[in-house]
Amino acid sequence: NAGVMQNPRHLVRRRGQEARLRCSPMKGHSHVYWYRQLPEEGLKFMVYLQKENIIDESGMPKERFSAEFPKEGPSILRIQQVVRGDSAAYFCASSPSGDYGYTFGSGTRLTVV
Amino acid sequence: KQEVTQIPAALSVPEGENLVLNCSFTDSAIYNLQWFRQDPGKGLTSLLLIQSSQREQTSGRLNASLDKSSGRSTLYIAASQPGDSATYLCAVTRRATNKLIFGTGTLLAVQP
Repeated sequence: NAGVMQNPRHLVRRRGQEARLRCSPMKGHSHVYWYRQLPEEGLKFMVYLQKENIIDESGMPKERFSAEFPKEGPSILRIQQVVRGDSAAYFCASSPSGDYGYTFGSGTRLTVV
Repeated sequence: KQEVTQIPAALSVPEGENLVLNCSFTDSAIYNLQWFRQDPGKGLTSLLLIQSSQREQTSGRLNASLDKSSGRSTLYIAASQPGDSATYLCAVTRRATNKLIFGTGTLLAVQP
């Protein structure tokens, strides 16, 4: 079991470009969560998805950010028209159900220049 | 609104010491509590998960306890080693939301 796979590990984007972050959950896990860790800050919840459904997006900025978890393929966190303030580490986690522990991926470190 | 606080924020100990990290949360209606470690520039590694019906969990030199009524959890590390140096995070979930609320973290340095 390869664990939660995130790619790319590092991503550099110029202001105004789009960033796409991918997350493949552990085998058998149908719940996916995205968290963001800003420099010198703690981890903050962004969005919770199950296959083809967004369950809770209360932590997502209202503009420019979107997430999906299609029937086939990885979950995608998409940031349009990136700004410097989007520079952070983005972590994906998965769980087999909502009432069991989470496994985190290694994260994608986004740098906006 | 759930708030999770960890004390101390930073801790430096000599190798071999036993130590305790503290985590407190304001809303006792939690479902699970999970302890993680994060190495610099890396992801999170799950250490221990305590489900709501449990009071403690043990793994090797680590022991975590949970007291929901007082809103506290402790992580006990026995015979600390330099390899234990990392940031330790506790996080709680509520059944209705499934999302983790993270604490502020404790930065641990174990000196050889």
